[in-house]
Amino acid sequence: DVKVTQSSRYLVKRTGEKVFLECVQDMDHENMFWYRQDPGLGLRLIYFSYDVKMKEKGDIPEGYSVSREKKERFSLILESASTNQTSMYLCASKREGLRTDTQYFGPGTRLTVL
Amino acid sequence: AQSVTQLDSQVPVFEEAPVELRCNYSSSVSVYLFWYVQYPNQGLQLLLKYLSGSTLVKGINGFEAEFNKSQTSFHLRKPSVHISDTAEYFCAVSRNLNFNKFYFGSGTKLNVKP
Repeated sequence: DVKVTQSSRYLVKRTGEKVFLECVQDMDHENMFWYRQDPGLGLRLIYFSYDVKMKEKGDIPEGYSVSREKKERFSLILESASTNQTSMYLCASKREGLRTDTQYFGPGTRLTVL
Repeated sequence: AQSVTQLDSQVPVFEEAPVELRCNYSSSVSVYLFWYVQYPNQGLQLLLKYLSGSTLVKGINGFEAEFNKSQTSFHLRKPSVHISDTAEYFCAVSRNLNFNKFYFGSGTKLNVKP
């Protein structure tokens, strides 16, 4: 079974802090994703990585950056957290290629910024 | 831009009753359709997907969905729900077979009552 793990289930930070959200997958997937989930808005893609050190902006990249130094790990960074970044953050991974199996999701990190 | 509409934010239903969760997408040359389920405090799990072929797709846990191209719909159904089906359900669309760019609906919370 594919396993995608996220370092924290719940996180509370203060405005202006630098925040790191970590995601690790154990299936040697090439592609990894960071989404944020907000009530009534569904999931929105923040960043996508298709290989080590490679990234692409998603729909809402403002205020976020990412790092992928190793294939299995994809980090989301909030350089200076703000209250409007309070949300559920979901990481996902998938194998590269056409018609491959779909994205596999981690359990999520609920971030509260005070 | 592609959009996915889930008109019902919440659907209450009694146990053993049938249920239909509606999903409509904006028209496109080709789309690939997915339903995901999110149980409380968990990540998203794939229920079923439509890529091509038969328009009736069967998924896990007794769910099925029907792709209707003329109505641009992909409604999810189950003939008899259980308490354990209480969860949030997301419809998603991909416009290519890489499945790297999903457009998610806003979600429907299914509340199964005894």
